[in-house]
Amino acid sequence: GAVVSQHPSWVICKSGTSVKIECRSLDFQATTMFWYRQFPKQSLMLMATSNEGSKATYEQGVEKDKFLINHASLTLSTLTVTSAHPEDSSFYICSARGGRGDYEQYFGPGTRLTVT
Amino acid sequence: GQNIDQPTEMTATEGAIVQINCTYQTSGFNGLFWYQQHAGEAPTFLSYNVLDGLEEKGRFSSFLSRSKGYSYLLLKELQMKDSASYLCAVKDSNYQLIWGAGTKLIIKP
Repeated sequence: GAVVSQHPSWVICKSGTSVKIECRSLDFQATTMFWYRQFPKQSLMLMATSNEGSKATYEQGVEKDKFLINHASLTLSTLTVTSAHPEDSSFYICSARGGRGDYEQYFGPGTRLTVT
Repeated sequence: GQNIDQPTEMTATEGAIVQINCTYQTSGFNGLFWYQQHAGEAPTFLSYNVLDGLEEKGRFSSFLSRSKGYSYLLLKELQMKDSASYLCAVKDSNYQLIWGAGTKLIIKP
């Protein structure tokens, strides 16, 4: 099956710094990638959808200047949390979908971000 | 608005059968998904239904009734490793996935 990787799997950073999370589709071309955030004991919250080569579409309430998304190639998308604060601490998960009419989203393993 | 309802938590016994229900109200329908998520891990795909009826895949089956806005996930021969959250998600008319809050399934020996 299709494999999506995320790096890093966990990161601890200080308040005010920026953190970049990478999402890669390893064996397929992902025309669309999704970034989710999940707080403890809650469901997935879609943050943004990105298509290769175009600007990401952000969900209502998600600050695009704070959560920078770059989908530069068909196999790589990055999420940068700028000027991180403790309330940004969460589990960030990316998923990818191929462009051949594939209905399934393939999830990465997630990145746990802790901001101190 | 769009809404997906599923029970918050269920408990079942090892070796038994459990049915997790999901009802949805969405703007359009382009398929319903079930995902399994273990604590601290990302979701993994279990099933996809777009037509009415039952889809069977090993110990897991998923049923869909579009007219009732209803689906269930049936897990047979429960194993301890099945303890996880089960997420129901519906793809709406914009092909956006709308997620339920998940059902935490606790398996007891």
